[in-house]
Amino acid sequence: AQSVSQHNHHVILSEAASLELGCNYSYGGTVNLFWYVQYPGQHLQLLLKYFSGDPLVKGIKGFEAEFIKSKFSFNLRKPSVQWSDTAEYFCAVISITGGFKTIFGAGTRLFVKA
Amino acid sequence: GAGVSQSPSNKVTEKGKDVELRCDPISGHTALYWYRQRLGQGLEFLIYFQGNSAPDKSGLPSDRFSAERTGESVSTLTIQRTQQEDSAVYLCASSLGTGAQQETQYFGPGTRLLVL
Repeated sequence: AQSVSQHNHHVILSEAASLELGCNYSYGGTVNLFWYVQYPGQHLQLLLKYFSGDPLVKGIKGFEAEFIKSKFSFNLRKPSVQWSDTAEYFCAVISITGGFKTIFGAGTRLFVKA
Repeated sequence: GAGVSQSPSNKVTEKGKDVELRCDPISGHTALYWYRQRLGQGLEFLIYFQGNSAPDKSGLPSDRFSAERTGESVSTLTIQRTQQEDSAVYLCASSLGTGAQQETQYFGPGTRLLVL
């Protein structure tokens, strides 16, 4: 069965630190990959997505993610975090042959200390 | 226009009662999704609508759960004979529905359901 694994449930960083959140999925076919973010008190919103082409994807607010097919990974990165990046981050996968069923990871809560 | 809206925002019910959750998608979005998020867990896919039909009901956890959509607009998720394990946040999302799986889903604020 498809699954998405996010390695860290909680991450605490100081401002200006670099961020990398891990995401691995288990599915051998072609996939579309997403990172969603939920800021405190707000709705889930799209951060970035990959479906084809350049495996390095850039999203909003300076975030990027790299799709490494051989590692079944789609890690999220940001070179220098800000206090306003405090949020919960979700990795999600849709398989091309699996219809529109979206599998989400359990989420990673990021807290950035000012 | 406005984003995805859901009602009620919070619902407390007694075990065994039926509940109905409502989702109003963004105007013009033909695709609609329901998810469940239990405390400390990720989003669990429940059902997907394209227009008024639901080609993928694979995520509904039991026959106590049902969903419908009318007029390619509002959707209702009904849980019959609620159990305590049904307590969760129920999220609705919509997308344009062009058939592209990389479409962005726009999420509503969710309904927090507590079954006592």
